[in-house]
Amino acid sequence: SQQGEEDPQALSIQEGENATMNCSYKTSINNLQWYRQNSGRGLVHLILIRSNEREKHSGRLRVTLDTSKKSSSLLITASRAADTASYFCATPPGGSEKLVFGKGTKLTVNP
Amino acid sequence: DVKVTQSSRYLVKRTGEKVFLECVQDMDHENMFWYRQDPGLGLRLIYFSYDVKMKEKGDIPEGYSVSREKKERFSLILESASTNQTSMYLCASSLAGTGPEISGNTIYFGEGSWLTVV
Repeated sequence: SQQGEEDPQALSIQEGENATMNCSYKTSINNLQWYRQNSGRGLVHLILIRSNEREKHSGRLRVTLDTSKKSSSLLITASRAADTASYFCATPPGGSEKLVFGKGTKLTVNP
Repeated sequence: DVKVTQSSRYLVKRTGEKVFLECVQDMDHENMFWYRQDPGLGLRLIYFSYDVKMKEKGDIPEGYSVSREKKERFSLILESASTNQTSMYLCASSLAGTGPEISGNTIYFGEGSWLTVV
């Protein structure tokens, strides 16, 4: 079962532009996480936002969470070619120890 | 740093073979996971283990079994491989507990095993 759904499925931008990806989920959560996956590799954790937080920053990453709309967004500012990857949101449904992932947004940053 | 190691990066197996995918983590994590990833379908959970010898089915357990005899090792077994099991398999681990004093159940992934069944 897919808990999170990312939007858009694919995004292509120029270096230096900002990239925004959105995630919607279905059930109540205690946190939401974003992961990055370079082509053919494993996923790497980027940032976690808890249900009582509205916004969180980490370097060039900004994550927002709106629990009333069951949605989150990931903003990458001043993108670089090295940011080219797929980005996934993940949530633990019902406070579970498991994480359910969306299908991801494939970001391409053109030099 | 947490390290999750998957023993095989690329495998080619024949239909009907029994296949073992091995995964080892070095951070004493209680939880371990096996996901498969397919284009257009994202990551889907096959099995989850929250302790030695304990397991829980994920969303797509059919055709798979798992073994966790030691805390650091979690094996995925394809009893009789079929072509529709051609996929990328990702092992992962995390600490137990979801309280705020813990890191949240951040999951650490291995590099993946590409399995082709012919």
